[in-house]
Amino acid sequence: GAVVSQHPSWVICKSGTSVKIECRSLDFQATTMFWYRQFPKQSLMLMATSNEGSKATYEQGVEKDKFLINHASLTLSTLTVTSAHPEDSSFYICSAPRGTGRFNEQFFGPGTRLTVL
Amino acid sequence: QKEVEQDPGPLSVPEGAIVSLNCTYSNSAFQYFMWYRQYSRKGPELLMYTYSSGNKEDGRFTAQVDKSSKYISLFIRDSQPSDSATYLCAMSLIKAAGNKLTFGGGTRVLVKP
Repeated sequence: GAVVSQHPSWVICKSGTSVKIECRSLDFQATTMFWYRQFPKQSLMLMATSNEGSKATYEQGVEKDKFLINHASLTLSTLTVTSAHPEDSSFYICSAPRGTGRFNEQFFGPGTRLTVL
Repeated sequence: QKEVEQDPGPLSVPEGAIVSLNCTYSNSAFQYFMWYRQYSRKGPELLMYTYSSGNKEDGRFTAQVDKSSKYISLFIRDSQPSDSATYLCAMSLIKAAGNKLTFGGGTRVLVKP
């Protein structure tokens, strides 16, 4: 299957700092990528849709100024958590759809664990 | 009420047993139904997908969709300890922009040797 990578796999930062997470599609191009966050023992909550060449689309309740998304190329999307606080500590996962026809399988990255002290 | 409901478990079964998982949903517009497996601290991986109603079998896995009841199921036969994971159902609209997925809460499964 297709491969999606994330970097870093885990990060610890101090409160008030900004953290950038990269999501790359390694063997295919993705005009769209998705960013999720997942709290322990909970499901994935879609945060935003990253669109190459245009602005990201944020889900209701997600602060666009706090979670900056940049789809820099057809293989790279970045999520920057600005002025991070302890409540931003979570598991962040990206995905990218790939396929032909009506069903585009979404391939997920391995996730990034963010801990804000 | 959540759009997709899934029992969180945990569901504990002995090795070799059949694992039965299910989700209910409220949006009748959903057309694609998927099951993902997620190991601890890893990203989800697609197990199976089904379009509209019906059954689909792949090895030890069987997915069923009953759109009239808004109910989907996943069965795992001859379960193995390596099947211990969280199983997430997910759904999407037929023409959703960018194929947005709506996930259930996930069911933790533990297969005991």
